Amino acid sequence: AQRVTQPEKLLSVFKGAPVELKCNYSYSGSPELFWYVQYSRQRLQLLLRHISRESIKGFTADLNKGETSFHLKKPFAQEEDSAMYYCALSPSGTYKYIFGTGTRLKVLA
Amino acid sequence: ETGVTQSPTHLIKTRGQQVTLRCSSQSGHNTVSWYQQALGQGPQFIFQYYREEENGRGNFPPRFSGLQFPNYSSELNVNALELDDSALYLCASSSHTNTEAFFGQGTRLTVV
Repeated sequence: AQRVTQPEKLLSVFKGAPVELKCNYSYSGSPELFWYVQYSRQRLQLLLRHISRESIKGFTADLNKGETSFHLKKPFAQEEDSAMYYCALSPSGTYKYIFGTGTRLKVLA
Repeated sequence: ETGVTQSPTHLIKTRGQQVTLRCSSQSGHNTVSWYQQALGQGPQFIFQYYREEENGRGNFPPRFSGLQFPNYSSELNVNALELDDSALYLCASSSHTNTEAFFGQGTRLTVV
């Protein structure tokens, strides 16, 4: 079965602390993995995807095929990082997403 | 360049009724996908349209149907509404050469 699991519904960290939002996936082929973010009162938007291997707003995510994980990390959290984060998988050859249930990140002052 | 727009933003329907939700895709995008997001859940894929043809469908019953028009805008129709259809419905557009999806603000449907 194709599935994305985000085990934490809520993650609270203090400003300046490291952040790791966990994402595990289940897929037999070679998927594309994404992180989408939704800031308060804004629409869902792409944060980063594994194929681009870039750092966006200080966030990085490495695809670990052995552990089937795509955890999102940032070394120093900022208050403006507070948002809802969704990990998503796009099966190879399709243009659809399978989303996890999301993790709400709260960065405390 | 205009973004993805959805209408209406909110609506309330009675169980058994039918509803049509609309989506205008981002300029230059020919693929539209629809998602249902129940409270506390991630978006769930309903179906996708590419060049006016359905191009993949999720695990939703046939009373969920859609259309895509020549200008790539799209409609989602739901017949025989059930209470569990209450959710946020998201539309996302993309070009067929890039998997990045651009989402609309969503339509909040409440079935009473």
